[in-house]
Amino acid sequence: KAGVTQTPRYLIKTRGQQVTLSCSPISGHRSVSWYQQTPGQGLQFLFEYFSETQRNKGNFPGRFSGRQFSNSRSEMNVSTLELGDSALYLCATLTRVRNIQYFGAGTRLSVL
Amino acid sequence: QKEVEQNSGPLSVPEGAIASLNCTYSDRGSQSFFWYRQYSGKSPELIMFIYSNGDKEDGRFTAQLNKASQYVSLLIRDSQPSDSATYLCAAKNTGGFKTIFGAGTRLFVKA
Repeated sequence: KAGVTQTPRYLIKTRGQQVTLSCSPISGHRSVSWYQQTPGQGLQFLFEYFSETQRNKGNFPGRFSGRQFSNSRSEMNVSTLELGDSALYLCATLTRVRNIQYFGAGTRLSVL
Repeated sequence: QKEVEQNSGPLSVPEGAIASLNCTYSDRGSQSFFWYRQYSGKSPELIMFIYSNGDKEDGRFTAQLNKASQYVSLLIRDSQPSDSATYLCAAKNTGGFKTIFGAGTRLFVKA
């Protein structure tokens, strides 16, 4: 069974640009959550999607958005990039039984 | 603000010793608790989950839950240098959809 797949693994962007990250969940998992991880702030929840609907949202500005497709794949978009957006972006999918989250390998974004 | 608190460490133990990692949570409605291990530059991987009060053992790992004290711990027996990582504690409220993570405890196991 394939795990959670995130693409791309690494990205380098400049301030003001926008970026789109992708997450393909484990087959059969319909929930996808996104997290931002930085050395200073730890793992911060961005949002969760379930059946193409945003089910929960963290405290991030509107520049951070996401969506989920009918096949459960999810994308996250960050517009007008700032230096502080440099981080490891992780997505996680949720098992239906026991509500356990499994993480992808992450996308490391560097904003120059 | 519902929180999960962990000592950031670093916690340093000699090889072969027991490492004890602790976590407290503020939301009494939390029902599910998880321990993740994260190596530097890698994503978190699940080690243990626990739902009921008491101990749960899996190999060298034992998770302990005390809901009355809102306390979760992870014991690592016979610690190995390969156990050196950051350990994240997480709590989930059955009624909600968010998993709240602690900031993590860095563990160093000295050979």
